[in-house]
Amino acid sequence: KQEVTQIPAALSVPEGENLVLNCSFTDSAIYNLQWFRQDPGKGLTSLLLIQSSQREQTSGRLNASLDKSSGRSTLYIAASQPGDSATYLCAVRLMNSGGYQKVTFGIGTKLQVIP
Amino acid sequence: ETGVTQTPRHLVMGMTNKKSLKCEQHLGHNAMYWYKQSAKKPLELMFVYNFKEQTENNSVPSRFSPECPNSSHLFLHLHTLQPEDSALYLCASSPFYTGGAYEQYFGPGTRLTVT
Repeated sequence: KQEVTQIPAALSVPEGENLVLNCSFTDSAIYNLQWFRQDPGKGLTSLLLIQSSQREQTSGRLNASLDKSSGRSTLYIAASQPGDSATYLCAVRLMNSGGYQKVTFGIGTKLQVIP
Repeated sequence: ETGVTQTPRHLVMGMTNKKSLKCEQHLGHNAMYWYKQSAKKPLELMFVYNFKEQTENNSVPSRFSPECPNSSHLFLHLHTLQPEDSALYLCASSPFYTGGAYEQYFGPGTRLTVT
């Protein structure tokens, strides 16, 4: 059974700091990995999707890396801003023999960027 | 706006009530999902519909009854719920369910409180 762990559970940083969020998973035979952002009481917004054949993806100030062999992914946020404050979720997708997706989410890291 | 809407946004119901949650997507997708998000727990996939057919039911209690009349609409009928069913219920959609790992688009969620 796939398990996804996100560390730390919460993080508070001053504005402008670069930071790294971590995601680890137990089954390395993944199809892809996705990072989401969730604002309080809201749904999920997709940030970056990394296919299993890729090592990293970048979007603006965000960079996500994937190391399948070690079962780890990191989300790097450069020059953090108060608007980045949210919970960041990692989701790992497996594909079973029937071609169906099995997505497992982490609990998330709650980020607070202090002005 | 992700193109996925959910109503109501907030719902308080007693354990003997019957209510329904509604989800609508305007993206032309063929797969729709119900997730449950409880405090300090990962998102739990409840149901998946692909081309209006239920393809996943992850051991969800029968007091939750999904309905998918067409590819654009998804309902979750609730009856005789328990206080532990209080959670954020998220709807998502994707182009397809099988044959590939397609990115999911999430609605804002319905915050359900069972008293």
